[in-house]
Amino acid sequence: NAGVTQTPKFRILKIGQSMTLQCTQDMNHNYMYWYRQDPGMGLKLIYYSVGAGITDKGEVPNGYNVSRSTTEDFPLRLELAAPSQTSVYFCASSYDGLAGGNEQFFGPGTRLTVL
Amino acid sequence: QKEVEQNSGPLSVPEGAIASLNCTYSDRVSQSFFWYRQYSGKSPELIMSIYSNGDKEDGRFTAQLNKASQYVSLLIRDSQPSDSATYLCAVSGGSYIPTFGRGTSLIVHP
Repeated sequence: NAGVTQTPKFRILKIGQSMTLQCTQDMNHNYMYWYRQDPGMGLKLIYYSVGAGITDKGEVPNGYNVSRSTTEDFPLRLELAAPSQTSVYFCASSYDGLAGGNEQFFGPGTRLTVL
Repeated sequence: QKEVEQNSGPLSVPEGAIASLNCTYSDRVSQSFFWYRQYSGKSPELIMSIYSNGDKEDGRFTAQLNKASQYVSLLIRDSQPSDSATYLCAVSGGSYIPTFGRGTSLIVHP
């Protein structure tokens, strides 16, 4: 199993550009998550999904959009990139949300810089 | 607002010593508790999960949970330089969505 994969690894955007961060998991997990991590800070939840077709906002959703058309894929869309979106983005998945089943597995991350 | 608090450190311990990392949380209905290790420039990886009061041991790692006092801790015995990393505490409750602390930086010096 590849686990959770993310593309691209690195990206530089200009202010106002848009892009999609890709995330795929092959563990048949129901739950998927997008986090951002700023230097010296913990993980901030952007969006999450509890299954195909179901998404919900996390702590910091402004400036982002998501979709979940399949169990495997959970892309994150940035519209009109701003310097405040410079961060490292992690995608994660877990089998479910119940105690004993919600250990998260993380992808390698995407380092995004907006200039 | 659910909060998970960790001392940011750095916590510096000599090689071979016991490192003790602590985490407190605000949501009394929390059910699942996790410790993740994150090396610089890498993604978090799960070390331990604990769901019941008491201790849970896995090799050199012991997680301790006290729901009445709302804290969870991680002990690392016989600390090695390779244990130097940031340790993230995560807690989830009724919503099943984990909340992460900011992490504690651990430095194990030879």
